[in-house]
Amino acid sequence: DAGVTQSPTHLIKTRGQHVTLRCSPISGHKSVSWYQQVLGQGPQFIFQYYEKEERGRGNFPDRFSARQFPNYSSELNVNALLLGDSALYLCASSFLAGADRAYEQYFGPGTRLTVT
Amino acid sequence: LAKTTQPISMDSYEGQEVNITCSHNNIATNDYITWYQQFPSQGPRFIIQGYKTKVTNEVASLFIPADRKSSTLSLPRVSLSDTAVYYCLVGPLGSYKLIFGSGTRLLVRP
Repeated sequence: DAGVTQSPTHLIKTRGQHVTLRCSPISGHKSVSWYQQVLGQGPQFIFQYYEKEERGRGNFPDRFSARQFPNYSSELNVNALLLGDSALYLCASSFLAGADRAYEQYFGPGTRLTVT
Repeated sequence: LAKTTQPISMDSYEGQEVNITCSHNNIATNDYITWYQQFPSQGPRFIIQGYKTKVTNEVASLFIPADRKSSTLSLPRVSLSDTAVYYCLVGPLGSYKLIFGSGTRLLVRP
C-alpha cells in the first residue's frame, strides 16, 4: 500500500509569494494534519482536517490556510511568504481524528520549502 | 499538555542497548506516552506507545514507572541504521495534534 505522499518534494520561492503544498493520505484515512519543521527542531502542529472540516489549528498566522477535498487529500496554502517560513512541511494522516490510535499518525516525506 | 524533557543527544556503538529517558512530571491521568523516530529528510515514524508498566514490540520496549513521571525507550542491539532523532510525546489519545519537543539525537557508531 502507498504511504502518505506529498508534492512537490522541494520548492524555492521568494519573499511575498504564495505557495501551495499538496498531500495525499493513506487510502482509507480520513484525517490529515500539517506540521512545520524548522531545521534542528521538532515538528510544530499547523492544522488538522477530518472529514473535510478543520478540527484544530496551531499557533500560526492567518497567512497559513488549508483545506481537505472529498477524496481526503489536502492542500496547505501559505501567503506572503517570509524568510522564516523556510522549513520542511510534513503531512500526516490517520484513520480517525480522535480514536484509540490517534497518536499514531503516518507522516509523508515532507516538502522542503526555501524562501529567499 | 504535559511538557517533556529529553537529553539533546546520545552516542552509542553498534550492538549495544540504548536507553533514552524522557521526563514528563506534569503528565495527566488520561495521557499516554508515545515515541516517534525521525531519519534525516523523512517524516517521523511511530515506534511505540504505552500507558503504564512495560510495552514491547518488534522494534523497542517502553518502560513506565508507577508514578508515570518519566519513561524510558529501550532499543536493543542498535545498528548504524538506528541513527535518528527520537521524540517522546505525551498526551491523551483523543488529542488531534502531536506536540513534539526537540527530541534526542542518537548517533550509533561502528
